[in-house]
Amino acid sequence: AQSVTQPDIHITVSEGASLELRCNYSYGATPYLFWYVQSPGQGLQLLLKYFSGDTLVQGIKGFEAEFKRSQSSFNLRKPSVHWSDAAEYFCAVGPYSSASKIIFGSGTRLSIRP
Amino acid sequence: GAVVSQHPSRVICKSGTSVKIECRSLDFQATTMFWYRQFPKQSLMLMATSNEGSKATYEQGVEKDKFLINHASLTLSTLTVTSAHPEDSSFYICSARAIHPGTGRSEQYFGPGTRLTVT
Repeated sequence: AQSVTQPDIHITVSEGASLELRCNYSYGATPYLFWYVQSPGQGLQLLLKYFSGDTLVQGIKGFEAEFKRSQSSFNLRKPSVHWSDAAEYFCAVGPYSSASKIIFGSGTRLSIRP
Repeated sequence: GAVVSQHPSRVICKSGTSVKIECRSLDFQATTMFWYRQFPKQSLMLMATSNEGSKATYEQGVEKDKFLINHASLTLSTLTVTSAHPEDSSFYICSARAIHPGTGRSEQYFGPGTRLTVT
């Protein structure tokens, strides 16, 4: 079965500290992996995506994610968080070249401690 | 990048009335659009897949007669919530699928969402 698991519902980190948000997936075909961010009451903004190539992907706002096939993981990282990073983060998996749907994880809410 | 718009961004309606939400791909053609619903503090749940010129495909548990989807052109899909009730209050997000002609790669671009409140 296709699924995305984000094991952390809520994470709080201090401003300036490093961040890692976990994501594990189960997908039958070659996955297309995404991280989205959503601020309260807003739509989704794509942070980064991965299909092939270098397993360390750079995204916007200083975020990066590393694809580890052996662990079926696609964790999101940022070396130093800012108060404006407080938001909901969604990991998602989808097909590369078909009309099939994107499957979203349950999300991780990130709070920043001043 | 490709832009998807939704209208309205917020709507309040009375129980029993119908509400129409539009989703437009502004600078590309989308043969496939998707409609999602998001309840507070929850993830996005796919409601239906909308294909231009054909009937929408609904996910299990989504009432097709209540959530009418029309994808009449390559740039517009509409979701009509019929006989709305307070439990239909939610954040509705659409996405449009673009195919890159050179690679065949599929990308989905998300709209900003529509906040529906039924009183």
